[in-house]
Amino acid sequence: EDKVVQSPLSLVVHEGDTVTLNCSYEVTNFRSLLWYKQEKKAPTFLFMLTSSGIEKKSGRLSSILDKKELFSILNITATQTGDSAIYLCAVLYYGNNRLAFGKGNQVVVIP
Amino acid sequence: DGGITQSPKYLFRKEGQNVTLSCEQNLNHDAMYWYRQDPGQGLRLIYYSQIVNDFQKGDIAEGYSVSREKKESFPLTVTSAQKNPTAFYLCASSTGLAGITGELFFGEGSRLTVL
Repeated sequence: EDKVVQSPLSLVVHEGDTVTLNCSYEVTNFRSLLWYKQEKKAPTFLFMLTSSGIEKKSGRLSSILDKKELFSILNITATQTGDSAIYLCAVLYYGNNRLAFGKGNQVVVIP
Repeated sequence: DGGITQSPKYLFRKEGQNVTLSCEQNLNHDAMYWYRQDPGQGLRLIYYSQIVNDFQKGDIAEGYSVSREKKESFPLTVTSAQKNPTAFYLCASSTGLAGITGELFFGEGSRLTVL
């Protein structure tokens, strides 16, 4: 059975801390791994990772994929209260455009 | 502006009633999806469609039905056969098979409560 497992499921940090979120997967027909941020309702796209070892960055957020060990990490540095959200990891399958999501990492940043 | 519109945003239903959630997109996307989100469960795929007049079951299709008669529209019907329909429902679309980016564009969601 295919799996997408995120950890930790929830965490509380103080502003300025660094957060590291993990997503491991066991799927057939893996194509890419994606990260989304969900603050209130609609998730918004952050990164798509297809190749191992290539870091993607956007401001204080960065992510990397390890296709040998089957996991990805999302880092948030110098956290702000606006980073409070659920971070969703998803795996894209070859051939059918289907995305399978993990349960999410709920991050709360307190001032 | 281009985007995905879901309606209604909030819906209450009595047990035994069918209800249809609307999803319309003007992004000219081929693929459309319905997900269900429960607290602590992430997003679970109900149905998806890669092209007009075609759709496939996702992981939790029982008690739901869909149609894809037009490219822009992918309505979801929650039938009385769905045992636990109270949830937040998200519709999404993507560019489809050609030039796939993997990026889904989501609507604002519909929250269904069964009384």
